[in-house]
Amino acid sequence: DAGVIQSPRHEVTEMGQEVTLRCKPISGHNSLFWYRQTMMRGLELLIYFNNNVPIDDSGMPEDRFSAKMPNASFSTLKIQPSEPRDSAVYFCASSATGGSYNSPLHFGNGTRLTVT
Amino acid sequence: AQTVTQSQPEMSVQEAETVTLSCTYDTSESDYYLFWYKQPPSRQMILVIRQEAYKQQNATENRFSVNFQKAAKSFSLKISDSQLGDAAMYFCAYRSGSTGNQFYFGTGTSLTVIP
Repeated sequence: DAGVIQSPRHEVTEMGQEVTLRCKPISGHNSLFWYRQTMMRGLELLIYFNNNVPIDDSGMPEDRFSAKMPNASFSTLKIQPSEPRDSAVYFCASSATGGSYNSPLHFGNGTRLTVT
Repeated sequence: AQTVTQSQPEMSVQEAETVTLSCTYDTSESDYYLFWYKQPPSRQMILVIRQEAYKQQNATENRFSVNFQKAAKSFSLKISDSQLGDAAMYFCAYRSGSTGNQFYFGTGTSLTVIP
């Protein structure tokens, strides 16, 4: 089990640039979550998918943020254009929901995004 | 939406001593799952322990145990024989047993272990 894989681990970009974060969930997990973590706001859920379908994107800050899950093994979170206030650690996590909800969230190592 | 409250932003413990981190939650559901996660400075989120609400027995994982009080909606984490490597942020999380797509997290408790 390779775990949830996120890339890149660090991203530094200039304001106005497009940023794409990538995630590969654990094979067999049918739920995928994107979180943002900052000192001020803690851990915030941005969006989650169930069976590749976006279920709740109410946490997405604004239209500059978009997320896709074209298949069960890949998801992206895109910020366009990026702003300094988007600087944070972005986590992807996956979980199984078939049959029982006692499956925990498995987190990737996160992407630290710095927008200058 | 369910809410999860961690009322202790920071805690400290002497090495080899025992510390208890508090967590309360608000829900009208009877079927749910509770988790504690650890986030060391490496920022990786690590599952520490889980508890099913239908189980009366408190979960235990080596030096980590919980005190689950369902009626009081309390889910505290006890760390025994604290080690320097236990220093981290600890997050309590709730997952519904009926609509379990969402996880609800507390704001975290920063634990310092004093040598």
